[in-house]
Amino acid sequence: DIQMTQSPSSLSASVGDRVTITCRASQSVRRYLNWYQQKPGKAPRLLIFGASNLQDWVPSRFSGGASGTDFTLTINNLQPEDFATYYCQQSFDNPTFGQGTKVEI
Amino acid sequence: QVQLEQSGAEVKKPGASVKVSCKASGYAFTKYGITWVRQAPGQGLEWMGWISTYNGNANYPEKMQGRVTMTRETSTSTIYMEVRSLRSDDTAVYYCARRGGDATEDALDIWGEGTLVVVSS
Repeated sequence: DIQMTQSPSSLSASVGDRVTITCRASQSVRRYLNWYQQKPGKAPRLLIFGASNLQDWVPSRFSGGASGTDFTLTINNLQPEDFATYYCQQSFDNPTFGQGTKVEI
Repeated sequence: QVQLEQSGAEVKKPGASVKVSCKASGYAFTKYGITWVRQAPGQGLEWMGWISTYNGNANYPEKMQGRVTMTRETSTSTIYMEVRSLRSDDTAVYYCARRGGDATEDALDIWGEGTLVVVSS
């Protein structure tokens, strides 16, 4: 199985901050890397697919990057509605998820 | 609109089985596969397997082999997941999610609302 290592597991930030979350794959997943946002008591929602493609509902302050087996999710100008848990997931092989990053105030 | 509607919460005793349903609507059912993901309380996301709605072929992770079965009913656009020999560590919210296919690098683009399964004596 492909292991996904996500960091940090949690972070504290303020409205207006820039936040970066990192995800590393144990082997190449090409660009089959996706990011999800989950709020308490809700199902995850697809945020970014193919490493850098934003879903229609996602504001442009979100961006995804890739370099080899390292992937990043960046949120610029953090807004109150962005406080949530974020997961990376590879879809190159049988899906595996990162451990999640809780973004809190 | 495109949506996945899941069945309601279940409480089961250890050793029992549970069957959760996921009804798709708003899109061509057999065009997209369905994945099941579970989330134990306070924990992350775990892949439970996926099923082709086109031909019914399913693929499960090794740890669930022999305990989980996924089926589909094309006449009602419904997918089922059965988990047998339930243990307390199967307590989780179970989500069905649509595989978005080539357009989304096979990301999970539509999710059901989740079904809570509690295993307790």
